[in-house]
Amino acid sequence: NAGVIQTPRHKVTGKGQEATLWCEPISGHSAVFWYRQTIVQGLEFLTYFRNQAPIDDSGMPKERFSAQMPNQSHSTLKIQSTQPQDSAVYLCASSSGGANSDYTFGSGTRLLVI
Amino acid sequence: AQSVTQPDARVTVSEGASLQLRCKYSSSGTPYLFWYVQYPRQGLQLLLKYYSGDPVVQGVNGFEAEFSKSNSSFHLRKASVHWSDSAVYFCVLSGGDYAQGLTFGLGTRVSVFP
Repeated sequence: NAGVIQTPRHKVTGKGQEATLWCEPISGHSAVFWYRQTIVQGLEFLTYFRNQAPIDDSGMPKERFSAQMPNQSHSTLKIQSTQPQDSAVYLCASSSGGANSDYTFGSGTRLLVI
Repeated sequence: AQSVTQPDARVTVSEGASLQLRCKYSSSGTPYLFWYVQYPRQGLQLLLKYYSGDPVVQGVNGFEAEFSKSNSSFHLRKASVHWSDSAVYFCVLSGGDYAQGLTFGLGTRVSVFP
């Protein structure tokens, strides 16, 4: 079990460019979550999927952020027209399902927008 | 709305000394509580969790936590710390469903010096 895999580990983009972040959840886990981590705000919920269906995206900045889960083996977080304030560590987590399930986190993608 | 408060942003301890990290939570439903640890440039790793039953739960690497419903607390303890325990520790609350996933405290940075 390789755990939750996130790629790339680091990404540098120029202001206004697009960034796509990838997450491969643990095989068999039905729920996938995206979080953003910054020093100022801490860990913020962005969105989650259950059985590939988007369930709650209330944490997503609406205009430039989107997330998809085209199959059970990966999810993507896309940021269009990146801004310096998007610089953060983006963490993906997966869970086997159920209210008392463990959440397994990936190592994160460190995004720097310059 | 649920919330988690970790009142200590930083804690410094000597190697071999005991450690206690404080966590207070607010939840309208049954709380499911976790402690996660984040080592530099890594994802979050689960230390321990509480769902029900014995209020003292044991975790990995000698950590334990005590749940108190009356105090709305879930404090983390370790009897004797090692330099490798230097990390950021997060108290995390799940409200029992997947709405917005997990609620994180801001974390406590622990520095262990010889």
